[in-house]
Amino acid sequence: GQNIDQPTEMTATEGAIVQINCTYQTSGFNGLFWYQQHAGEAPTFLSYNVLDGLEEKGRFSSFLSRSKGYSYLLLKELQMKDSASYLCAVLDSNYQLIWGAGTKLIIKP
Amino acid sequence: GAVVSQHPSRVICKSGTSVKIECRSLDFQATTMFWYRQFPKQSLMLMATSNEGSKATYEQGVEKDKFLINHASLTLSTLTVTSAHPEDSSFYICSARDGSDSYEQYFGPGTRLTVT
Repeated sequence: GQNIDQPTEMTATEGAIVQINCTYQTSGFNGLFWYQQHAGEAPTFLSYNVLDGLEEKGRFSSFLSRSKGYSYLLLKELQMKDSASYLCAVLDSNYQLIWGAGTKLIIKP
Repeated sequence: GAVVSQHPSRVICKSGTSVKIECRSLDFQATTMFWYRQFPKQSLMLMATSNEGSKATYEQGVEKDKFLINHASLTLSTLTVTSAHPEDSSFYICSARDGSDSYEQYFGPGTRLTVT
């Protein structure tokens, strides 16, 4: 079966750095997405990785290792507005997005 | 960036009635649209995938006669929840893909449906 694992909840302090991990087992791989979702709102796109390595975009970076079936989202200089759920999703061999359950990130002052 | 709108944003209806939700891509042509539902504190659950001009492909366990999907044009898809029941109360989100190589999905703002 297809499976995406990410922690249910994480807590971090404002100004700090947090890493949200995602491991996957899917039938094929055509890329991995990270989305941010605030409560009661739709997801918004953060990043897309299809090749191994680190993609940096401002305070957010995303890393991918295809051989390990592993990705992480790194958030630096955390702000209170970063409190949200972070969804990992993999594009499988049929180009269907397989979604993780999301990681709820709580930022404390 | 690509913008997807959804209407209405909130709707309350009585049991047994039908509700239609519209999803529009405002500045691009959406060859494929997706409909999701999300229960509180849970992840997105794909209900169906629709391609313009063809029948929607429903995920296992989703009743096609209850959740009618029409993707009549490259910018509009509708989801009709027929004979709604309280257990259909949920957050319904549509997304659209523009047919390019990116496979990124652009999400609408969602519709909060409450069935009383």
